[in-house]
Amino acid sequence: EAGVAQSPRYKIIEKRQSVAFWCNPISGHATLYWYQQILGQGPKLLIQFQNNGVVDDSQLPKDRFSAERLKGVDSTLKIQPAKLEDSAVYLCASSLQRGLHEQYFGPGTRLTVT
Amino acid sequence: AQSVTQLDSHVSVSEGTPVLLRCNYSSSYSPSLFWYVQHPNKGLQLLLKYTSAATLVKGINGFEAEFKKSETSFHLTKPSAHMSDAAEYFCVVSVYSGGYNKLIFGAGTRLAVHP
Repeated sequence: EAGVAQSPRYKIIEKRQSVAFWCNPISGHATLYWYQQILGQGPKLLIQFQNNGVVDDSQLPKDRFSAERLKGVDSTLKIQPAKLEDSAVYLCASSLQRGLHEQYFGPGTRLTVT
Repeated sequence: AQSVTQLDSHVSVSEGTPVLLRCNYSSSYSPSLFWYVQHPNKGLQLLLKYTSAATLVKGINGFEAEFKKSETSFHLTKPSAHMSDAAEYFCVVSVYSGGYNKLIFGAGTRLAVHP
């Protein structure tokens, strides 16, 4: 079974530029999550989708971050404009359904904002 | 509010010796708890989970954890460390709100294994 795919793996941009990350979850997984992992900290949930609807985006800085999951499969996370403090690893995860189903994580995208 | 505290940011052991990674939780009700492992340049992987069944939970790669309500702890152990166990380990609590679950991660413990 193919795992969660993310691209790019690494990205370096200057502050005030925009960037987008892509995630392809495990086939058949209805729930998709985006996490932000700052160096030295545990992952923090940014947004959770159930199919193509947003379930929880309470931790998403909506003035600069946006995410979508068209057709309930792939998802993109965008930052515009980026700030220095956005430097982090952005992790995508998926699970079969909401609830206590295991979340499967992708390898992440490491973003450096200079 | 639900939270977890990992008591050690770094743990170093010799190969073949026991591993103990400590985690305390804070919860207003019976929690669901997890341990995840993160190897360099790899995705997070679930080691084990506790969801109010047996208090001693066995996971993959010889790891286990014991839920102790009286101590509000969920420590991760392994009898004998292997070089391949070197990684970052996260204690996680699940928060249920508004009809969905959300994972709250601890800050992580980096495990080093020496020959």
